[in-house]
Amino acid sequence: GNSVTQMEGPVTLSEEAFLTINCTYTATGYPSLFWYVQYPGEGLQLLLKATKADDKGSNKGFEATYRKETTSFHLEKGSVQVSDSAVYFCALRKAGWYGNKLVFGAGTILRVKS
Amino acid sequence: GAVVSQHPSRVICKSGTSVKIECRSLDFQATTMFWYRQFPKQSLMLMATSNEGSKATYEQGVEKDKFLINHASLTLSTLTVTSAHPEDSSFYICSVQDSYEQYFGPGTRLTVT
Repeated sequence: GNSVTQMEGPVTLSEEAFLTINCTYTATGYPSLFWYVQYPGEGLQLLLKATKADDKGSNKGFEATYRKETTSFHLEKGSVQVSDSAVYFCALRKAGWYGNKLVFGAGTILRVKS
Repeated sequence: GAVVSQHPSRVICKSGTSVKIECRSLDFQATTMFWYRQFPKQSLMLMATSNEGSKATYEQGVEKDKFLINHASLTLSTLTVTSAHPEDSSFYICSVQDSYEQYFGPGTRLTVT
């Protein structure tokens, strides 16, 4: 079946540090890949996405590249800020009969200290 | 993207009572909505897919008689937790789907005492 594996958190960084959150997936065919961010007490917001191999999604300084050969979609940011503290979810989507279901990873808590 | 609201944002109810959660698509007519449940410090678990004008499709292990879903219009889906128990306490999140994306509501925190 389809699944997403994320690195366990929490990840604690100092402001301006480099961030990597690993994400690998298992899926048949060619899924679309997503990163969502959830701030405390809120719902999920789409951070970035990639729909085919070698695509790079980017937004707000975050980047992730769809690597089919390693089935990975690692999230990176060159210089994190305190405001980036949140939970980050990697997800994949394959088309299905009842709409396009998302499969989420377990989420990674990021804490950025000033 | 679509803007999604949920009401209430927080609700506390007594064990044995029922509680209704609304999910509204404010600027998009959504034929498909999804309901998720999120346990503390865990990922989202898809509960059901709500289809406008037809019965919801429940994921394996989700009790359809306990979690009643109604999607009577293109802008509103409701989730009713019937005969709630403390183990139903959770964060419930809905999403709407357009032709390609899912857009999430802010979530509803349910506490059953």
